[in-house]
Amino acid sequence: AQKVTQAQTEISVVEKEDVTLDCVYETRDTTYYLFWYKQPPSGELVFLIRRNSFDEQNEISGRYSWNFQKSTSSFNFTITASQVVDSAVYFCALSELDSGNTPLVFGKGTRLSVIA
Amino acid sequence: DGGITQSPKYLFRKEGQNVTLSCEQNLNHDAMYWYRQDPGQGLRLIYYSQIVNDFQKGDIAEGYSVSREKKESFPLTVTSAQKNPTAFYLCASNSGGNTEAFFGQGTRLTVV
Repeated sequence: AQKVTQAQTEISVVEKEDVTLDCVYETRDTTYYLFWYKQPPSGELVFLIRRNSFDEQNEISGRYSWNFQKSTSSFNFTITASQVVDSAVYFCALSELDSGNTPLVFGKGTRLSVIA
Repeated sequence: DGGITQSPKYLFRKEGQNVTLSCEQNLNHDAMYWYRQDPGQGLRLIYYSQIVNDFQKGDIAEGYSVSREKKESFPLTVTSAQKNPTAFYLCASNSGGNTEAFFGQGTRLTVV
């Protein structure tokens, strides 16, 4: 069965620090997709990135970067020079393809607090 | 504007009552989902529908029911059989299981 683990429940950093959010997943499929979402206090989930299992290239988008390593089944998310507006709950999610198009399975989330 | 609309934003229910949460999308998406969020639990899948007039149970379907009579709409009914209904409910849609899912703003249900 597919599973996503976000071991960090809460993280607090001071503004301008870098922070990495960990995500470890389990799946038997060879084809799958990984996602990161941000949930600000308003409650709506905001899509950040989608990555398929055949693309292990790291990705950078502004202050955000993602490190995908199949060898360790991890898809970690780093925020560089954190800002107060980055404070939110971040979710990692997995969707399998070999088993049919499956709904997203989410980790329990990491609450990030950036302190000014 | 295109997107997903959930209503109401806040809902109060007396014990023993059924309530229905609305979810409408104008993104022309085939698939729609309902998730429940509790503190420290992440998002758990209640029901999903990949096509009109068809839906499947998720991990925590007991005490809930859905319908998918129209592509745009996927209402969720929280029945009196749901023992702990107080939670934040999120509706989502996408073009298929592996594509980006778009979420509504959620409905916070409280049992009083």
